[in-house]
Amino acid sequence: GAVVSQHPSWVICKSGTSVKIECRSLDFQATTMFWYRQFPKQSLMLMATSNEGSKATYEQGVEKDKFLINHASLTLSTLTVTSAHPEDSSFYICSASAESYEQYFGPGTRLTVT
Amino acid sequence: KQEVTQIPAALSVPEGENLVLNCSFTDSAIYNLQWFRQDPGKGLTSLLLIQSSQREQTSGRLNASLDKSSGRSTLYIAASQPGDSATYLCAATRSGAGSYQLTFGKGTKLSVIP
Repeated sequence: GAVVSQHPSWVICKSGTSVKIECRSLDFQATTMFWYRQFPKQSLMLMATSNEGSKATYEQGVEKDKFLINHASLTLSTLTVTSAHPEDSSFYICSASAESYEQYFGPGTRLTVT
Repeated sequence: KQEVTQIPAALSVPEGENLVLNCSFTDSAIYNLQWFRQDPGKGLTSLLLIQSSQREQTSGRLNASLDKSSGRSTLYIAASQPGDSATYLCAATRSGAGSYQLTFGKGTKLSVIP
């Protein structure tokens, strides 16, 4: 149980375009979802926390207008990188939790902006 | 602000050796401490979770300890195998604002040489 999926697993997009990443909890209802970004040889950095049906809470330094997060249902959250630039290239990982401290992580999405 | 440090950044050992990975955190007011494994380009696999009231947890060849007062945790791997090669991340959990948030270290990249 407690499986989280992400789609796509990797994506290449051109600079200036937008890309959407989906995070789904497959076998449980996730009241809270988290989005992380991981640069090479760096730790996972929390970008934002989202609760179903409410606006996401962004960490300091993360542009909410650039990284749009939607958590419209208890099984789906999306992260849209708007007007992507090469410096946005990274590994994006989501996690989901169901009213407990445990977070279940997705397999990640590799974004490359050319 | 919580900061998590892992030492060493990389470690190479011959197969069969026992080894210890270190993790330190600056804020001892943690809810729990978790150890994860991350294979290249993949998501996270949870290995062990130690509640703040516990001192250690064991799973197979893995043993994790926690000393909250000194802000340290260690992951002990017995009889290492090539399949143990991966990056090991520790993360401290704090509670607040209705959710539990993880702060990750940069990880220790382990290579077990056959």
